[in-house]
Amino acid sequence: DIVLTQSPATVSLSPGDRASLSCRASQSVSTHLAWYQQKPGQAPRLLIYDASKRAAGIAARFSGSGSGTDFTLTISSLESEDFVIYYCQQRGKWPLTFGGGTKVELK
Amino acid sequence: QVLLVESGGGLVKPGGSLRLSCEASGFTFSNYYMGWIRQAPGKGLEYISYSSTTNEYTNYAGSVKGRFTISRDNAKKSLFLHMSGLTAEDTAVYYCARGFEEYQLPFYFDTWGQGTLVTVSS
Repeated sequence: DIVLTQSPATVSLSPGDRASLSCRASQSVSTHLAWYQQKPGQAPRLLIYDASKRAAGIAARFSGSGSGTDFTLTISSLESEDFVIYYCQQRGKWPLTFGGGTKVELK
Repeated sequence: QVLLVESGGGLVKPGGSLRLSCEASGFTFSNYYMGWIRQAPGKGLEYISYSSTTNEYTNYAGSVKGRFTISRDNAKKSLFLHMSGLTAEDTAVYYCARGFEEYQLPFYFDTWGQGTLVTVSS
């Protein structure tokens, strides 16, 4: 199975800061990678798919980049509701796998 | 409004069985591949299984293959997960989710239910 490693596990930032979250795959997944946001007690929400395409209704401050094994989710200016957990997920090879998550916490 | 509502979770003894249900509304259920993803308490997400539009094709993660069975009833807009041989490692919130594009393999999931908690304990 493809292992996705997210870093850092936790990042402490302030509102208005720029956040860069990393996801590294154990083998190439081309651009077949998604990012999800999960708020406490809620289901995940699809933010980005195919590495850089924003899902419907997702704010422009969220962007994705990368290909092969290295990917980044960037939040250009953090808002209060963004301080939650983010997961990456690959579809390059079955089974689908998810990263361990990065928690964005308030500094 | 696109909505998925899971039910059927609960407390079950090791070795026991349970059937989860997911009722869909707000979209043409029969056009979409559907899947189950679980999340152990305080942990990350784990893909479990998918069902094609007619359940002709199914897929399972290695951790549940041979123990879990996915099925669907398009007339009732419902997805099911029958789980047997349950162990403590199966304790998790189970999410039902819709594949991203109509008629396509569920490479990504764009709509999720609220989840149903399965606890395996004696």
